[in-house]
Amino acid sequence: QQQVKQSPQSLIVQKGGIPIINCAYENTAFDYFPWYQQFPGKGPALLIAIRPDVSEKKEGRFTISFNKSAKQFSLHIMDSQPGDSATYFCAASSPGSQGNLIFGKGTKLSVKP
Amino acid sequence: GAGVSQTPSNKVTEKGKYVELRCDPISGHTALYWYRQSLGQGPEFLIYFQGTGAADDSGLPNDRFFAVRPEGSVSTLKIQRTERGDSAVYLCASSLLPDINSGANVLTFGAGSRLTVL
Repeated sequence: QQQVKQSPQSLIVQKGGIPIINCAYENTAFDYFPWYQQFPGKGPALLIAIRPDVSEKKEGRFTISFNKSAKQFSLHIMDSQPGDSATYFCAASSPGSQGNLIFGKGTKLSVKP
Repeated sequence: GAGVSQTPSNKVTEKGKYVELRCDPISGHTALYWYRQSLGQGPEFLIYFQGTGAADDSGLPNDRFFAVRPEGSVSTLKIQRTERGDSAVYLCASSLLPDINSGANVLTFGAGSRLTVL
C-alpha cells in the first residue's frame, strides 16, 4: 500500500514557468511533510518542509501548499530555472516515527531554457 | 567531515555473497538512518539509530540485512547471501536529535552506495 502518492511522474516546463507537484496521503497521523530534491548521482537534499497547522510555507522560490481536509500538499517552484531540473520527492512522517520518512515515488522535472 | 560520507560508492557482487556498506555521518549528528532506493523509486526506510542503538528497524526486509553503529558514529549495513533483488542504491543520512515537540527531522543524505548483485 502506497502511503504517499505523488504526481505527475515527470514534468517539463519552460524557464520562468511554475511547475506544480502534488502529493496525497492517507495516514492522518502524519504530521511532518518535507520535500526533497535529488540530482543524478547525489543523495536527496531537503528543500522545504511543512507541518499541518499551517496552510502555506514559502522559502525563496519554493512554496508548499497544504490542505489538511483533503490530505493533499503540493510544491510550487516560482520562476523555474534550468538548474532546478532534478527529481523531487515528497515525504511524510508521524510522531514517534520521526526517523521513518515515507517517500513518494518522485517527479522528474525538466526546465527548458 | 562536511557531509555524510558513504563507501564504497559502487559495489558489484555475485549472488550469495556477503556485502558491507559503510556510512560516516556528519560529526555531532546523533541520529543515523539507512534507506534503500531502487531505480525510479523514492527512498525506502530501512533502519534508524539513535546513538548506538537501533531505535527503529522496522524497514529491514528480512534477517539477511543487519546494521550496526557500535560507537555511535560510523555505521555499517551488512547484507548476507545477497540476491539480485537487493540491487539498489543504499542511502545513509544523519541528523541532530529530532525536536521532541515539532518532530522536525532534517536529514542530510550521503550520495549513496550503488549495489549491483549479478
